[in-house]
Amino acid sequence: RKEVEQDPGPFNVPEGATVAFNCTYSNSASQSFFWYRQDCRKEPKLLMSVYSSGNEDGRFTAQLNRASQYISLLIRDSKLSDSATYLCVVNDWAAGNKLTFGGGTRVLVKP
Amino acid sequence: EPEVTQTPSHQVTQMGQEVILRCVPISNHLYFYWYRQILGQKVEFLVSFYNNEISEKSEIFDDQFSVERPDGSNFTLKIRSTKLEDSAMYFCASRGPGTYEQYFGPGTRLTVT
Repeated sequence: RKEVEQDPGPFNVPEGATVAFNCTYSNSASQSFFWYRQDCRKEPKLLMSVYSSGNEDGRFTAQLNRASQYISLLIRDSKLSDSATYLCVVNDWAAGNKLTFGGGTRVLVKP
Repeated sequence: EPEVTQTPSHQVTQMGQEVILRCVPISNHLYFYWYRQILGQKVEFLVSFYNNEISEKSEIFDDQFSVERPDGSNFTLKIRSTKLEDSAMYFCASRGPGTYEQYFGPGTRLTVT
């Protein structure tokens, strides 16, 4: 099983709609989780940290289910500028806090 | 807002040559990282660095790679003898004390010909 798995998409989303997608991770000892966004050929940019069961920041909601080892991201009222690849990232405290990245979920918001 | 910076933005080198990629982490950060992303693939961890020592490294980070913090601001990644398969985007990241969030620089695109 891959360490961090994501549906690559693309998720084609009408502007103003809601989109949600999941990520699963294999290391049950993982302690902290993040969503980063990556635009084409750019660096990953931190979108949200997920430490407890969930986190909300404006139109973005992340949820963590430790028992099932998945994290989800929901985007409400999608904007054209939300088009990007969303990277699910797991932090391993026991290994120098190295980040393990999923392959990303591509989201395309269309007018 | 403080940012991680990296130079150069693009480096082209011939196979077998040495390259040094440079990073300036966010000023009060203490933990430094290098990651790479081969075109079309996921971001991969290379090495973490704290208190002038490597704290963790991946299988990718073999003897051809080294890191250094030569002064109080720069953090460098050296590849001694580049191979074609080293062609990738190399990202530097840094993390502040008491936090887990890592902030990434804009990357250096390394092309080995």
